[in-house]
Amino acid sequence: TQLLEQSPQFLSIQEGENLTVYCNSSSVFSSLQWYRQEPGEGPVLLVTVVTGGEVKKLKRLTFQFGDARKDSSLHITAAQPGDTGLYLCAGEDNNDMRFGAGTRLTVKP
Amino acid sequence: EAGVAQSPRYKIIEKRQSVAFWCNPISGHATLYWYQQILGQGPKLLIQFQNNGVVDDSQLPKDRFSAERLKGVDSTLKIQPAKLEDSAVYLCASSQRNYGYTFGSGTRLTVV
Repeated sequence: TQLLEQSPQFLSIQEGENLTVYCNSSSVFSSLQWYRQEPGEGPVLLVTVVTGGEVKKLKRLTFQFGDARKDSSLHITAAQPGDTGLYLCAGEDNNDMRFGAGTRLTVKP
Repeated sequence: EAGVAQSPRYKIIEKRQSVAFWCNPISGHATLYWYQQILGQGPKLLIQFQNNGVVDDSQLPKDRFSAERLKGVDSTLKIQPAKLEDSAVYLCASSQRNYGYTFGSGTRLTVV
């Protein structure tokens, strides 16, 4: 069973600050996905990365897949209160998707 | 495109009672998943269907949980009898390969 560890577990910052959250595993994944989940809702897909070393940008969010396809990071520039939520990473291999426990981000105005 | 529909949104039952959840995936999505998300944790896969066949149910507590996907479209997840530790959000998701998962809003189950 693949184990995905996300860090930090909780993060509280002020509006305008930058932050990075991490997703690490000892397993190799064919793809890795990042989701954001708000209270009372299901996770919403932000990005899928499939190539080692790949970097994808989504407005103020930058996602990187590690060269060995075992880890990933999410960097948010100039965080806004609307970025508040639970950020989940999920690794896929052989059509088997496993989720990390998430990083709960709070951005204070 | 309509999203993944789940019902009910909330359910409160007493322990040892039965409960069923319903999911209607996105049209054309062959793969359907049920996840259990306990407060403070990430989603845990319970069962995965490909059309109407089970692909992975290794983490489904089969003594009390059951799921079916008749005709390869809608799916139901049942718990009988419920235990206190089953209190969680039950998420349904569907996917087309390489396009990521689309989740429903979930059913929040409270067992008292």
